Amino acid sequence: GAGVSQSPSNKVTEKGKDVELRCDPISGHTALYWYRQSLGQGLEFLIYFQGNSAPDKSGLPSDRFSAERTGGSVSTLTIQRTQQEDSAVYLCASRPGTVSDTQYFGPGTRLTVL
Amino acid sequence: AQTVTQSQPEMSVQEAETVTLSCTYDTSESDYYLFWYKQPPSRQMILVIRQEAYKQQNATENRFSVNFQKAAKSFSLKISDSQLGDAAMYFCAYRSLENSGYALNFGKGTSLLVTP
Repeated sequence: GAGVSQSPSNKVTEKGKDVELRCDPISGHTALYWYRQSLGQGLEFLIYFQGNSAPDKSGLPSDRFSAERTGGSVSTLTIQRTQQEDSAVYLCASRPGTVSDTQYFGPGTRLTVL
Repeated sequence: AQTVTQSQPEMSVQEAETVTLSCTYDTSESDYYLFWYKQPPSRQMILVIRQEAYKQQNATENRFSVNFQKAAKSFSLKISDSQLGDAAMYFCAYRSLENSGYALNFGKGTSLLVTP
């Protein structure tokens, strides 16, 4: 079946602009995660959605970052007033929903803030 | 929060040889999951192998195996008969079973170069 998809693949923006990154999880997966991978770093957890529950936003680095998940499926990560330090690869992952399940990752969106 | 340490930023192996990538972690939890993910230049994170902490037997997936030492909090990945397609970044990851969400904590990765 189809894997996790993300769009756009690459995004170049100017400092101060807002950007939206999209994630389409695997059909039927109830859990969805956003991670950020900065140059030379491991992945940093940003936010987690599980079904219709309130999201776990504990990893968001500032109030310029927000995310929503509509209808328990597609998710959008929004970064307002982008800064150069926001430049990174943003990865989305989904998981079927039980404790033992593995997370499956999308190909990521590379964001470059000029 | 749990920390995951990969002490080898880069490793090199010749084709057909064996290489071991190191990973240590810090936790006070008794049950958890550990993972190795591979990230080729395409950026796609691919699950290589996973280990449940309550299982004493080391996980194996074809040419990939782990050496899980729970007391030492060590989780190394062994790649046997290395192939050119194994060249990638390898990330070790920890998943708690006690916090909500089960997000992964990643190490900073090891870049594996495979030479002909």
